[in-house]
Amino acid sequence: QVQLVESGGGLVKPGGSLRLSCSASGFTLSDFYMSWIRQTPGKGLEWVSYISSGSGDIYYADSVKGRFTISRDNAKNSLYLQINSLRVEDTAVYYCVRGHSYVYHWGQGALVTVSS
Amino acid sequence: EIVLTQSPGTLSLSPGERATLSCRASQTVGSSYLAWYQQKPGQAPRLLIYGASSRANGIPDRFSGSGSGTDFTLTISRLEPEDFAVYFCQHYASTPFTFGPGTKVDI
Repeated sequence: QVQLVESGGGLVKPGGSLRLSCSASGFTLSDFYMSWIRQTPGKGLEWVSYISSGSGDIYYADSVKGRFTISRDNAKNSLYLQINSLRVEDTAVYYCVRGHSYVYHWGQGALVTVSS
Repeated sequence: EIVLTQSPGTLSLSPGERATLSCRASQTVGSSYLAWYQQKPGQAPRLLIYGASSRANGIPDRFSGSGSGTDFTLTISRLEPEDFAVYFCQHYASTPFTFGPGTKVDI
């Protein structure tokens, strides 16, 4: 069955960096767009970024443009999110999801906490 | 950006009752590019409905979606104990895809 497992979350100081990884199994990663969605108690759910199967179509929310970079390695069945210049408001649970419209498959989420 | 508003914020009901949840969009979401999700504490959201009215695989038929344009409804015909959760709507008509703030269905 489809499994998405995030890793790389943690506690980071403002201005710091972090790289989230998502290991995919149960399907052929190269057949699908992939996305990152984050959730905070205050702002709710936010679609952060998506990437096409061949990496030619990439989207970023305005709130993260210029600071976040999405990438993928289809041979390693992996999706990544490089997060730079972290802000307190980036504190959230980050979900790796399959697709870029409605979402059937979600990871369990990785908590990123930005605090001094 | 299309803003989604959900009402009510909280719906207090009993098992066996009918739940009607509303999602209103600030602009039309085209050919019903609207999805509904259920989320329980500590879990990722679970897709219930896509295309405004199509049930996702494995979703019981007590869940139904309707609406078009800017007004959408999720109906749970008879609440089961496991249905008490938070429900979100989400549009995918154009970027940025956005989510509503959620409706909590509690006892």
